[in-house]
Amino acid sequence: NAGVMQNPRHLVRRRGQEARLRCSPMKGHSHVYWYRQLPEEGLKFMVYLQKENIIDESGMPKERFSAEFPKEGPSILRIQQVVRGDSAAYFCASSPGDSSYEQYFGPGTRLTVT
Amino acid sequence: AQSVTQPDIHITVSEGASLELRCNYSYGATPYLFWYVQSPGQGLQLLLKYFSGDTLVQGIKGFEAEFKRSQSSFNLRKPSVHWSDAAEYFCAVGGTNAGKSTFGDGTTLTVKP
Repeated sequence: NAGVMQNPRHLVRRRGQEARLRCSPMKGHSHVYWYRQLPEEGLKFMVYLQKENIIDESGMPKERFSAEFPKEGPSILRIQQVVRGDSAAYFCASSPGDSSYEQYFGPGTRLTVT
Repeated sequence: AQSVTQPDIHITVSEGASLELRCNYSYGATPYLFWYVQSPGQGLQLLLKYFSGDTLVQGIKGFEAEFKRSQSSFNLRKPSVHWSDAAEYFCAVGGTNAGKSTFGDGTTLTVKP
């Protein structure tokens, strides 16, 4: 059973471009979480999704950031008009249910904005 | 609202010494508690979890944690630390119908030779 997959692993964008980060959860998992980790900082929750639904987006910046988890295909975290402050590692995790289950983390996407 | 506090930002121990990483949580019902480890440049890996039952939980890599409801704590321990244990450790709390899990800010462990 393949683990959580994230791609790309590394992404470089110029200021003002769009970044699209993809996450394929483990087989059978319908819950996806996105986290951001800034350099020298801890993990910060961004958004929690189930298939076709956003359950909790309390950690998402109000502008430029959006996430989806369609019925088919991976979950996408989209950052429009990136700025240098968006440079970070973005981790996706999946679980078979709510937060009573442990989360399985992907290897992360390291976004660098130049 | 649920929250997790890891009071120690950095801890340094000598190889072979014992280790205890602290975690305090706030949660309105029976918590589900987790410890994860993150090596540099990697994602997080689950070390152990507590759902119910025996309050002393055994995990991978020789780690254990003890749930103490009266102290709202779930401290991680290891009797003898190895150099390969150097990493960042995260405590997390969740539960049924809680939505997201909440993570602490992490504790960075350095192991001296």
